[in-house]
Order: sequence, then structure tokens, then C-alpha cells
Amino acid sequence: NAGVTQTPKFRVLKTGQSMTLLCAQDMNHEYMYWYRQDPGMGLRLIHYSVGEGTTAKGEVPDGYNVSRLKKQNFLLGLESAAPSQTSVYFCASRLGTASNQPQHFGDGTRLSIL
Amino acid sequence: GNSVTQMEGPVTLSEEAFLTINCTYTATGYPSLFWYVQYPGEGLQLLLKATKADDKGSNKGFEATYRKETTSFHLEKGSVQVSDSAVYFCALSVGSGAGSYQLTFGKGTKLSVIP
Repeated sequence: NAGVTQTPKFRVLKTGQSMTLLCAQDMNHEYMYWYRQDPGMGLRLIHYSVGEGTTAKGEVPDGYNVSRLKKQNFLLGLESAAPSQTSVYFCASRLGTASNQPQHFGDGTRLSIL
Repeated sequence: GNSVTQMEGPVTLSEEAFLTINCTYTATGYPSLFWYVQYPGEGLQLLLKATKADDKGSNKGFEATYRKETTSFHLEKGSVQVSDSAVYFCALSVGSGAGSYQLTFGKGTKLSVIP
């Protein structure tokens, strides 16, 4: 009963490097989300997807790209990492938009940019 | 637009004390309301939810009642334990219209319980 799985759990990058964070869900959920969490800032939505092959910008999309080629996976890419992108990244999924549907979260990826 | 306002923390309580974390909201239509808990080093977990006015959500000794007249969803627990130390997030969801694809979260309230 995996739920939402994020890979990797920790990563250290140098400024300018690129990387991809992977999110996988096994609940057949339509909607998937990427958030970042910084001290005192709560959760901020980066990008989201309402179905396979679709993506949309959230509150803080600059410097990130996403892809949803398969329904169960949602990838977050950093093309040229910057120290301001040091954060904890959370992926979430949701069955649908019925208001009683909660989001289910992964355990996060802790990313440091030096 | 939709918004959630939580009491600012951190909140520090002694074990067995009574807990209240205030949450008020602004939303179009009739939202569903949620409380999530985040333990250190982990992701957010759904703690409880309520989907209509006067509903009471409960789990692990925590309770919250959906108050439409005061647009509130305060989290309460009668006797906290050290293991309840975590960050608590209030959130809402609307079924249609702007913002219906995602939940709207408050900024979180950090609770520390000391023995």
C-alpha cells in the first residue's frame, strides 16, 4: 500500500546543475501536484496536473518544468538549479475534484543547492 | 478567492493540556474542510475532515466542527501527548469554480508538547 512515493529523498546539487524529481502514485488518481515548503512560508503550489498529458502553473512555477506522460507519474525538473530552490518538495495526488476528496502526500524530497 | 487563516505558532503545551488551534476560512460556495498533520521529517497526513455545516470530524482524539455561521473549523484535543508534537495545517476544498482543482492551505501551526 505505497500511496505516493517520491524519489530521491535527499539530494545536494551545485548551482547550475539540473535534476528531475519523480513522483509515483498507485491509487489511480487523476490529479497530481508539486509543492515546495520553506520555513515560515507554508506550502506553495509549483505546478499541477489534472490528467495524463496535461499540466498547469501554480503559484511559484518559475525555474521549474513538469511532465505527466503517464497517469501514475508526475516529474518535476530543475533545468539550472539556483540556491533559492533549496527547499523541501512534496508531491500530492487526488482522486478528483469532488470537494470531499483530500490530497494524499508523499514524504518529501529534501533538496539543497550549493 | 478562497483563503484559510490559522493561528500563528509556535504553540507550546504541557502534556495532558487542552489544545485549541483556530482556523477560519473564506470560500465561495460550500467548501469541505480538512486538518492535516505533519510530523518531523514526514509529509502531510490527513487527520480529519468535515464536508458540510455542523459536521464533526474526529480522529486520534482530535475533533473539529464545521461552523458555517462563524466560518471556522477549530481543532481541539482534550489531553495532548508528547507524540502530538507536529505542524498542523487547516485546508479547504471547493467543488467547482476557481480553485476547485486544489486544496487551499493555511500556513500551518507548530505544536510542541513538553513532558
